[in-house]
Amino acid sequence: DQQVKQNSPSLSVQEGRISILNCDYTNSMFDYFLWYKKYPAEGPTFLISISSIKDKNEDGRFTVFLNKSAKHLSLHIVPSQPGDSAVYFCAAIAGAQKLVFGQGTRLTINP
Amino acid sequence: DGGITQSPKYLFRKEGQNVTLSCEQNLNHDAMYWYRQDPGQGLRLIYYSQIVNDFQKGDIAEGYSVSREKKESFPLTVTSAQKNPTAFYLCASSMGRITEAFFGQGTRLTVV
Repeated sequence: DQQVKQNSPSLSVQEGRISILNCDYTNSMFDYFLWYKKYPAEGPTFLISISSIKDKNEDGRFTVFLNKSAKHLSLHIVPSQPGDSAVYFCAAIAGAQKLVFGQGTRLTINP
Repeated sequence: DGGITQSPKYLFRKEGQNVTLSCEQNLNHDAMYWYRQDPGQGLRLIYYSQIVNDFQKGDIAEGYSVSREKKESFPLTVTSAQKNPTAFYLCASSMGRITEAFFGQGTRLTVV
């Protein structure tokens, strides 16, 4: 049972435009959500997070939006840069400190 | 520098042999995790530990074993019972419940 889903395996965006990565979840007990960025053959690095009591969190070029009624969150990157090309994972936490990850979305920024 | 270290980065083993992957952290984190990543899939939780001498099975624990004798260390043993051991293994740690986890650089295990 995939509790966190990223339905787009890949996304291609032109440099300077907005990148929007989406994530859906099914477990209403999730109360904290995170986005990680991963380069090949490396561990993921934390990017940005949001608590379920908020609907938006912004950090520089990165903004995460949470829609609890739709059980949906999204990561906006604007403007997109070549160094943003990576795989992005969304993750969620509920209860017993167990991070649940989505399948990842490969973002490619084209010059 | 504080961090989380996995070793080795690449590991080759013959089928039927047990192999242990190392994970050490000096971040004073209470919780540690092992994940497995396969091509085109997300990170799947193998085992996690919230405190020393305690650990719980994740979603795909069959064929794996762990120990947590020290706060800093959380080694993972891939046993011969694991049917498809070839994968990229990631260790992570976190301080508490509402915090981001820090990941190691990963170990790519290839069983031939």
